Amino acid sequence: DVKVTQSSRYLVKRTGEKVFLECVQDMDHENMFWYRQDPGLGLRLIYFSYDVKMKEKGDIPEGYSVSREKKERFSLILESASTNQTSMYLCASSPVKLARDRETQYFGPGTRLLVL
Amino acid sequence: AQSVAQPEDQVNVAEGNPLTVKCTYSVSGNPYLFWYVQYPNRGLQFLLKYITGDNLVKGSYGFEAEFNKSQTSFHLKKPSALVSDSALYFCAVRDIYNQGGKLIFGQGTELSVKP
Repeated sequence: DVKVTQSSRYLVKRTGEKVFLECVQDMDHENMFWYRQDPGLGLRLIYFSYDVKMKEKGDIPEGYSVSREKKERFSLILESASTNQTSMYLCASSPVKLARDRETQYFGPGTRLLVL
Repeated sequence: AQSVAQPEDQVNVAEGNPLTVKCTYSVSGNPYLFWYVQYPNRGLQFLLKYITGDNLVKGSYGFEAEFNKSQTSFHLKKPSALVSDSALYFCAVRDIYNQGGKLIFGQGTELSVKP
């Protein structure tokens, strides 16, 4: 079974703090994604990566950065946390791009972040 | 621009009755369509997908979805709802212009199944 793990289920931080959210997948997937989930807005893509050291901006990258130094690990960084970044953060991974028979993203359990 | 719409924020169904959760899409070319489910305080779980082939797709937990090209819809269905089906359901379409397999999600539909 594919397993995507996230370093924390719940996190409370103060405004201005630097926040690291870690995601690890154990299936050797090339693609990894960070989303935030807010009520009524669904999932919005923050950043994604389709290879080590590669990253691309998603729909809402402002205030975030990412790091992918190893294939299995994709980190989301909030350089200076703000209250409007309070949200549920979901990490996902998927196998080789453009492989039609394997087109599925697998999600981690999520990190609920509260910024005070 | 590619997009997905889930017109209902909430669907209420009695246990044992059939359920439908609606999804419409707008894409260029042939769509890759997905349904995911999220139980409380959990991540998203994959239910089913349509890539090509038979318009009726069967997935996990007895769910199925029908791809209708003329109506640009991909509604999720189940013949007999269970209380344990109560969850948040997301429809998604793959962005075919993006090599990284990016998905575009609808806003989600809360399904409530009452005994």
